[in-house]
Amino acid sequence: AQTVTQSQPEMSVQEAETVTLSCTYDTSESDYYLFWYKQPPSRQMILVIRQEAYKQQNATENRFSVNFQKAAKSFSLKISDSQLGDAAMYFCAYRTHTGTASKLTFGTGTRLQVTL
Amino acid sequence: DAGVIQSPRHEVTEMGQEVTLRCKPISGHNSLFWYRQTMMRGLELLIYFNNNVPIDDSGMPEDRFSAKMPNASFSTLKIQPSEPRDSAVYFCASSQNIRTSGNTIYFGEGSWLTVV
Repeated sequence: AQTVTQSQPEMSVQEAETVTLSCTYDTSESDYYLFWYKQPPSRQMILVIRQEAYKQQNATENRFSVNFQKAAKSFSLKISDSQLGDAAMYFCAYRTHTGTASKLTFGTGTRLQVTL
Repeated sequence: DAGVIQSPRHEVTEMGQEVTLRCKPISGHNSLFWYRQTMMRGLELLIYFNNNVPIDDSGMPEDRFSAKMPNASFSTLKIQPSEPRDSAVYFCASSQNIRTSGNTIYFGEGSWLTVV
């Protein structure tokens, strides 16, 4: 079974600075997807960024980028120019690539505080 | 495009009452997931469907929980009888299962359930 580990329960960053959230995973598969979801106090789960394992290029979405190290099974999220609205829980998640449905496996989350 | 739609958004009910949570997935999505989130256990997958067929219900905590998907645009999660330990946020989510969509799972806003 796949597992996802987020070793940082809490992180803090000053506004306008850069922060990196860590995520590692364990799998024996070669084809899969990785995601970062943001959960603000409203509890809505919002997709931040996704990475296909077969792609070598790291995904980017505006101020958000990932460092995907397939051999090391590492998938960190970098937030540049942090804003107050970035304060939230961030969940790393893994999904198998398959022709039929498969579930998302989540990490335990990292709570990000953004300070002035 | 409409996202995943859940109802009710909030429900407070007395122990022993029946609770029904409803979900309309994104049109064209063929997989549907029910997740539960609590402080103690984090995000747990309860059950997921592919093409309206339950694929994995091993996360359903006990016989008091049941889920149905009578058609591609509607699903219910029922708790009968409800207990205080069922208090949680229940998320419905859906996805297409094709590589071009990145196999992304999109979440509804959640149903906050409080059992007193």
